[in-house]
Amino acid sequence: KAGVTQTPRYLIKTRGQQVTLSCSPISGHRSVSWYQQTPGQGLQFLFEYFSETQRNKGNFPGRFSGRQFSNSRSEMNVSTLELGDSALYLCASSPLNSGPQETQYFGPGTRLLVL
Amino acid sequence: GNSVTQMEGPVTLSEEAFLTINCTYTATGYPSLFWYVQYPGEGLQLLLKATKADDKGSNKGFEATYRKETTSFHLEKGSVQVSDSAVYFCALAQTSGSRLTFGEGTQLTVNP
Repeated sequence: KAGVTQTPRYLIKTRGQQVTLSCSPISGHRSVSWYQQTPGQGLQFLFEYFSETQRNKGNFPGRFSGRQFSNSRSEMNVSTLELGDSALYLCASSPLNSGPQETQYFGPGTRLLVL
Repeated sequence: GNSVTQMEGPVTLSEEAFLTINCTYTATGYPSLFWYVQYPGEGLQLLLKATKADDKGSNKGFEATYRKETTSFHLEKGSVQVSDSAVYFCALAQTSGSRLTFGEGTQLTVNP
């Protein structure tokens, strides 16, 4: 099975712009989560989607949003980019809605640089 | 709220040395515990996990035991290799939902 794929892998934007990142989960996986990784804050949870519904949300401003499509693919959007949004954005998928013991499988990430 | 604390890094060892990376957690209920590894330029890979107290997770020579009495999940390996050089993250998942809470990460460098 193909792993979790994320596009694009690298992105450079300027302050004030918006960006959309894409994630394709492992085939058959229905849950998709997004995380932000920075040197200062480490790995922080952004949100989780299951069956096209946001099930969980982390402590990020409303500029960060996401959605999930009927084929489980997910996108996240960041509007009005700030320098502090520069980070590695990781997507993870898991197979079923069976709780915390499930393994989440991570993609390679999208590295976003905001200038 | 939930939190995970890892030993401060970086950690530098010689090949074949014994490795311990400490991890303690604070959580309500009975979380599942995980160790993930991140190689340079890559995403996270699951190394091992344990879903209930006294469970031992193991993979590729690495082991960790879920100790509820000490709220710990320390990672150990008896003999490290240069290829084990990476960043290691301890994480927990809440009983409601699959959101992961991560520790700060520990950079491991193994020298030949």
